[in-house]
Amino acid sequence: GDSVTQMEGPVTLSEEAFLTINCTYTATGYPSLFWYVQYPGEGLQLLLKATKADDKGSNKGFEATYRKETTSFHLEKGSVQVSDSAVYFCALSDRQTNAGKSTFGDGTTLTVKP
Amino acid sequence: GAVVSQHPSWVICKSGTSVKIECRSLDFQATTMFWYRQFPKQSLMLMATSNEGSKATYEQGVEKDKFLINHASLTLSTLTVTSAHPEDSSFYICSAADNSGNTIYFGEGSWLTVV
Repeated sequence: GDSVTQMEGPVTLSEEAFLTINCTYTATGYPSLFWYVQYPGEGLQLLLKATKADDKGSNKGFEATYRKETTSFHLEKGSVQVSDSAVYFCALSDRQTNAGKSTFGDGTTLTVKP
Repeated sequence: GAVVSQHPSWVICKSGTSVKIECRSLDFQATTMFWYRQFPKQSLMLMATSNEGSKATYEQGVEKDKFLINHASLTLSTLTVTSAHPEDSSFYICSAADNSGNTIYFGEGSWLTVV
């Protein structure tokens, strides 16, 4: 079945540092890939997504490129802020096999220190 | 844009009672909705797929008699936690894809605490 493997955390960075959170996936079909962010005590927020190979999703300075050859969707940000501290989930959804059903990675907790 | 709304956001109930959580698609019809559960500091795990007009499909290890799902209309799915116990305390969240299947919307989530 489908699966998502996410870089283990927690990750602690200083403000303005470069961020990478690795994400790789296994899917039998042609999935869409997502990054979600969850702030303490809150629900999920879609951060960015990519629906096909070589697509780049971007939002709020975060980027991730859908790499089919390496089955990866790594999240990057050039300069993190304290307000980026949250839990980040990589996820996939295969529209062709089960529209809307999402498979999540384990989540990576990011703490940014001033 | 399309929104999925969940209610209630927070609920506290006594052990042994039942609690119902609603998931509504506000701008689109959803023949399929999904229910997830998230324990503290863990990821989201799919509990069941809610199918409009038919029985829900439960994931392995999820008790269908304990977590009753009803999807009686194209815009509403409900999850009822029956005879709740403290170990059922968790964050429950629903999702639905829009009619194109390209965009997935998550509800705000519901925090359940069983005391």
